[in-house]
Amino acid sequence: EAGVTQFPSHSVIEKGQTVTLRCDPISGHDNLYWYRRVMGKEIKFLLHFVKESKQDESGMPNNRFLAERTGGTYSTLKVQPAELEDSGVYFCASSQGLGGNEQFFGPGTRLTVL
Amino acid sequence: GQNIDQPTEMTATEGAIVQINCTYQTSGFNGLFWYQQHAGEAPTFLSYNVLDGLEEKGRFSSFLSRSKGYSYLLLKELQMKDSASYLCAVRLDSNYQLIWGAGTKLIIKP
Repeated sequence: EAGVTQFPSHSVIEKGQTVTLRCDPISGHDNLYWYRRVMGKEIKFLLHFVKESKQDESGMPNNRFLAERTGGTYSTLKVQPAELEDSGVYFCASSQGLGGNEQFFGPGTRLTVL
Repeated sequence: GQNIDQPTEMTATEGAIVQINCTYQTSGFNGLFWYQQHAGEAPTFLSYNVLDGLEEKGRFSSFLSRSKGYSYLLLKELQMKDSASYLCAVRLDSNYQLIWGAGTKLIIKP
C-alpha cells in the first residue's frame, strides 16, 4: 500500500512568488492534515480536511495560504505571495475514520523563500 | 495557551535503556502520541496513550499520567538505528489537531 506522498520534495522561490504544494493521502483516508515546521521550532498544525470539507483551519497563518481538497482525494496548499517567514518543511498527514488515532505522514516539502 | 515540554537532546549507549519525558499543559486532552523522526524523513507513529498507564510495544513503551500532565517514552535494548528525534504530541478534545513538542534528539553511542 502506497504511503502519503508529497510533491515537490524541495522548492526554492523568491519572495513574492507563488508556490503550490501537493499531497496525496493514503487511499481511503478521509482525514487529511497539513502541518509546518519552521527551522528550530516545533511542528505546527495548519488545517484539517474531512473528505473535501475544511474541518479546522485555525492554524492557517494568514490569507496568503489557501488549501483545497477538491473531490476529497489529493490536496493542494498554495502560498501567494510567499514571504521569507514561510520557509520551512510542510508536512501532510492522513488518517482513517474521524480523528483516527494514527496519522501517517508524508516526507514533507522543504520550502525555501529567498 | 498550549505548552508541551521535552528535553532538547539526550545521549545513551547502545544496548542500554533510555526514558524520554514529556510534560504538557493544554486546553484539552484526547490522547498523547509519540512519533519518531529520522533526519530528513517523515515522522512515524510509535505509540498512543489516552488512559493512564503503560502501553508496551516491543522495545518501546509509553506511559501516561493525565493528572500530572506527564508522559514518557521508554526505549530498551537501544540500537544505533534508534538515533532520531522523538516527538511528543497531544490531541485536543475540541478538534483533532495535534499540538507538538519541539522534539528530543536522541544520540546513541557505541
